[in-house]
Amino acid sequence: DAGVIQSPRHEVTEMGQEVTLRCKPISGHDYLFWYRQTMMRGLELLIYFNNNVPIDDSGMPEDRFSAKMPNASFSTLKIQPSEPRDSAVYFCASSFGRVNSPLHFGNGTRLTVT
Amino acid sequence: DAKTTQPPSMDCAEGRAANLPCNHSTISGNEYVYWYRQIHSQGPQYIIHGLKNNETNEMASLIITEDRKSSTLILPHATLRDTAVYYCIVRVASYNNAGNMLTFGGGTRLMVKP
Repeated sequence: DAGVIQSPRHEVTEMGQEVTLRCKPISGHDYLFWYRQTMMRGLELLIYFNNNVPIDDSGMPEDRFSAKMPNASFSTLKIQPSEPRDSAVYFCASSFGRVNSPLHFGNGTRLTVT
Repeated sequence: DAKTTQPPSMDCAEGRAANLPCNHSTISGNEYVYWYRQIHSQGPQYIIHGLKNNETNEMASLIITEDRKSSTLILPHATLRDTAVYYCIVRVASYNNAGNMLTFGGGTRLMVKP
């Protein structure tokens, strides 16, 4: 089991550029979550999917953020245009839909927007 | 979901037991206590969860008081690799589309010292 795989591990971009973060969940998991972590706000849930369908995106900060899950093995989080305040570590997690199934997190993408 | 209170930081000597407290005085009867930890530069990692009985696994033990208003995570023989931020989370075990999403607080930064 390779775990949740995120890419890239680090991303440095200039303000105004489009950024795409990628996530491959654990095979068989039917829930996928995107979190963001900053020093000021800690870990925040941005959006989550069930069976590839977005269920709750109330944590997405602005329209500049969008997330897709075209199939069970791939999800993207896109920021367009990026701003310096988007600098953070973005985590993807997946889980089974069974009660109390633990969330399995990837190692995150550290995004720096200059 | 009930709010939790944890000390911001704790120290522990290597080889000794680390006892991490968590207060959740407003916990409801159907809410579970979950523990995760986050080692530097990694995603959060599931440790253990419980409802009202004490629980033990290969990583840790969870002691929940009889009134369920507080709990303690015990790492029986802490090592330097246990240095991390430990999160105590209380939430309802979900049977609906909310899946197992988690809301993280500030956690306890545990420093294991030689």
